[in-house]
Amino acid sequence: NAGVTQTPKFRILKIGQSMTLQCTQDMNHNYMYWYRQDPGMGLKLIYYSVGAGITDKGEVPNGYNVSRSTTEDFPLRLELAAPSQTSVYFCASAPSSYNEQFFGPGTRLTVL
Amino acid sequence: DQQVKQNSPSLSVQEGRISILNCDYTNSMFDYFLWYKKYPAEGPTFLISISSIKDKNEDGRFTVFLNKSAKHLSLHIVPSQPGDSAVYFCAFGAGNMLTFGGGTRLMVKP
Repeated sequence: NAGVTQTPKFRILKIGQSMTLQCTQDMNHNYMYWYRQDPGMGLKLIYYSVGAGITDKGEVPNGYNVSRSTTEDFPLRLELAAPSQTSVYFCASAPSSYNEQFFGPGTRLTVL
Repeated sequence: DQQVKQNSPSLSVQEGRISILNCDYTNSMFDYFLWYKKYPAEGPTFLISISSIKDKNEDGRFTVFLNKSAKHLSLHIVPSQPGDSAVYFCAFGAGNMLTFGGGTRLMVKP
């Protein structure tokens, strides 16, 4: 099992550009999450999904969009990149709530 | 509104001694509690958890304590080892979501 994989590992964007961060899990988990971690801070929840076709906002959803068309994939879309979106992004999955979440290695995004 | 606080951004401990990491919370709706460990350039990895009906849970060198009346969560590592040097996050669950603390950087010196 590869667990949770994220691509790309690093990316530099210009202000106003768009991109999609990819996340795939092979554990057949229903729950998937996107977090961002700013320097010296904890993880903030952006969006989450409890199953294919179902998504919901977390604590900091502004400027992002998600979709969940399959159990395995949960891409995160940035439409108009802003410097405030410079961060490390982590995807996670879990079999259900009240369970540990399994994290991917992260994507380091810089917006200049 | 900061629902979770890890008041110590860093902690330095001698190898073999006990490491104690602490978190305080304010949200009474939290009903499951976890600790994660993070090495640089990696994602967080789950360490240990405790449900709201217990006040202690042990797993090898790691013990998590929950004081619900004081809204306080702690992690004890004993004995501490140099490989334990990492950033530790407490996390608090309510429904489908986790709320993370800001992290404590633990350094275990040989």
